[in-house]
Amino acid sequence: DSGVTQTPKHLITATGQRVTLRCSPRSGDLSVYWYQQSLDQGLQFLIHYYNGEERAKGNILERFSAQQFPDLHSELNLSSLELGDSALYFCASSAPGTGNTEAFFGQGTRLTVV
Amino acid sequence: GENVEQHPSTLSVQEGDSAVIKCTYSDSASNYFPWYKQELGKRPQLIIDIRSNVGEKKDQRIAVTLNKTAKHFSLHITETQPEDSAVYFCAASNNGGATNKLIFGTGTLLAVQP
Repeated sequence: DSGVTQTPKHLITATGQRVTLRCSPRSGDLSVYWYQQSLDQGLQFLIHYYNGEERAKGNILERFSAQQFPDLHSELNLSSLELGDSALYFCASSAPGTGNTEAFFGQGTRLTVV
Repeated sequence: GENVEQHPSTLSVQEGDSAVIKCTYSDSASNYFPWYKQELGKRPQLIIDIRSNVGEKKDQRIAVTLNKTAKHFSLHITETQPEDSAVYFCAASNNGGATNKLIFGTGTLLAVQP
C-alpha cells in the first residue's frame, strides 16, 4: 500500500457525461500529480498541484480540470466525455522539499466511456 | 519540449539472462531519474532511482547508469527471474525546479521466459 488513495476504482459512464476522480495523498505530502494511461500507452502527465497551487500543466485537455483542496486532497474533473477518454487515471504524491522527489502512486481509477 | 525516449518497447529474455533498457532525455535541467515497474492492472512502483551527481547505482540485481553528457540512462537487471516480467518505465524530472513532475518514457514490456 503506497498510502495514496484514489476513488472510485472503476467508473463506467456514457459519452457527454462528467465525472470526478478523487485522490488523497500520503500523509504529509504536499504535491499531487495526475497521470493518464491509455491502453498500451505510457504515463502521460496531466497536472501538478503543490499545497493548493497549480505548478505545472501537461497535455491536459480543456475539458479536464483539477484542483487541490486545503486538506490536500485533489479532484480531477473530466467533462463532455468521449470514447477516447477511456483510460487508467493515476494520482501520485510526493513529499515537500527538493530532496524528496519519489512519487508514490495510487492504485488508479479505471474510466470506461461507453 | 520535455521528452523521454525509451527502448526497446518489448524485450524477451531467458530466465537467468540479463536485461538492459535504455532511455534518453531532452531537458538538460533534469537531475532525477527514477525507474518504475508496473505489473498488469497495478500501480507503478519505484524500483530504483539515480540523481545527476551519481554515475551508477546498484541494488542487488538491479543497477542504473547515467551519462549526463549524452543524456542517457539505462536499467540493468541481472539474473532475471519470471517475477521480473512487467512493464518498466523510465522517467526524468527537474528536482528543485518549479515542479518535480515526472516525464515518463513509453515503457518496456519485459518477458522473462522460464
